[in-house]
Amino acid sequence: DVKVTQSSRYLVKRTGEKVFLECVQDMDHENMFWYRQDPGLGLRLIYFSYDVKMKEKGDIPEGYSVSREKKERFSLILESASTNQTSMYLCASSPPAGVTDTQYFGPGTRLTVL
Amino acid sequence: GDSVTQMEGPVTLSEEAFLTINCTYTATGYPSLFWYVQYPGEGLQLLLKATKADDKGSNKGFEATYRKETTSFHLEKGSVQVSDSAVYFCALLNTGGFKTIFGAGTRLFVKA
Repeated sequence: DVKVTQSSRYLVKRTGEKVFLECVQDMDHENMFWYRQDPGLGLRLIYFSYDVKMKEKGDIPEGYSVSREKKERFSLILESASTNQTSMYLCASSPPAGVTDTQYFGPGTRLTVL
Repeated sequence: GDSVTQMEGPVTLSEEAFLTINCTYTATGYPSLFWYVQYPGEGLQLLLKATKADDKGSNKGFEATYRKETTSFHLEKGSVQVSDSAVYFCALLNTGGFKTIFGAGTRLFVKA
């Protein structure tokens, strides 16, 4: 079974703090994604990566950055957390296009910024 | 650009009722279509998918048919259970694309 794990289920941070959200997958997938999930808005793509050290902006990259130094790990960084970044953050991974088009999700990190 | 529209929730049903959650899409080309489900406290998981017109995806009693003429992929189940209470997301992935486009999600409550 594909397993995608996220470093924390719940996180509380203060405004202005630097926040790291970690995601690890164990299936050697090329593609990894970070989404945020908000009520009524569904999932919105923040960043994705299709290879080590490669990254592409998604629909809402402002205020976020990412790092992919190893194939299995994809980190989301909030350089200076703000209250409007309070949300559920979901990580996902998938094999390359042509193998399967299914995404595999982690359990999510609920981040609260005070 | 590509988009997915699904019916707003919440949907509240009694156990053994018939379920339909509507989903329509806008896309160029020939996308693959998906239903993902998110149970309380968990991430999303694939429920079913269809990759071409007239295909029917099915899993756990749920079904959806890829209708190109109406650009729809409605989710149905003949008899829901309390354990089906979850949020359901319709999604598409266009040919050669990296980005899966998700609908806003529909929350389903099933009462015993």
